[in-house]
Amino acid sequence: GNSVTQMEGPVTLSEEAFLTINCTYTATGYPSLFWYVQYPGEGLQLLLKATKADDKGSNKGFEATYRKETTSFHLEKGSVQVSDSAVYFCALMDSSYKLIFGSGTRLLVRP
Amino acid sequence: GAGVSQSPSNKVTEKGKDVELRCDPISGHTALYWYRQSLGQGLEFLIYFQGNSAPDKSGLPSDRFSAERTGGSVSTLTIQRTQQEDSAVYLCASSLSGHLSGNTIYFGEGSWLTVV
Repeated sequence: GNSVTQMEGPVTLSEEAFLTINCTYTATGYPSLFWYVQYPGEGLQLLLKATKADDKGSNKGFEATYRKETTSFHLEKGSVQVSDSAVYFCALMDSSYKLIFGSGTRLLVRP
Repeated sequence: GAGVSQSPSNKVTEKGKDVELRCDPISGHTALYWYRQSLGQGLEFLIYFQGNSAPDKSGLPSDRFSAERTGGSVSTLTIQRTQQEDSAVYLCASSLSGHLSGNTIYFGEGSWLTVV
């Protein structure tokens, strides 16, 4: 069946450090891929998405590239800020058009 | 409103009681989803509506859980005879259409349910 695996957290970084959160998926075909973010006390928000292989999604300095060969969609940011502290969820949209989520990765950025 | 609206935002109920959770999707969105977020279980899909029908209810954990949607808009998730393991955040989400790959799904802030 379809599934998403993402690196376990928490990930703790200093401000301005480089961020990578790994995400790999198992699916039939080529699903659309998403990163959602949940800030403390808030709901889930779409961060970025990619709908086909080699697409790069980007938003707020975050990027992720849809890699068909490695079935991956790793999230990266060149210089994190304290305000990026949140839980990040990788997800795929299955053939029934629902989202299948990874377990989430908590990011803590220290000043 | 501009976003997905859920009520109540917090609910504490006694074990064995029934609860109803309400969701108002974004106006014009035909697809509506319910998810559950609990510690140790991550985000679990419960049910998906396209219009008023539910083509995928594969995630409902037991027959104590049911959901309906009326007028292609408001949805209610009902949990009967609540158990402590039902304690979680219940998230509602909507999208323009459930038939487009890559469609953005927008989430509400959730209803926190605590069963004591």
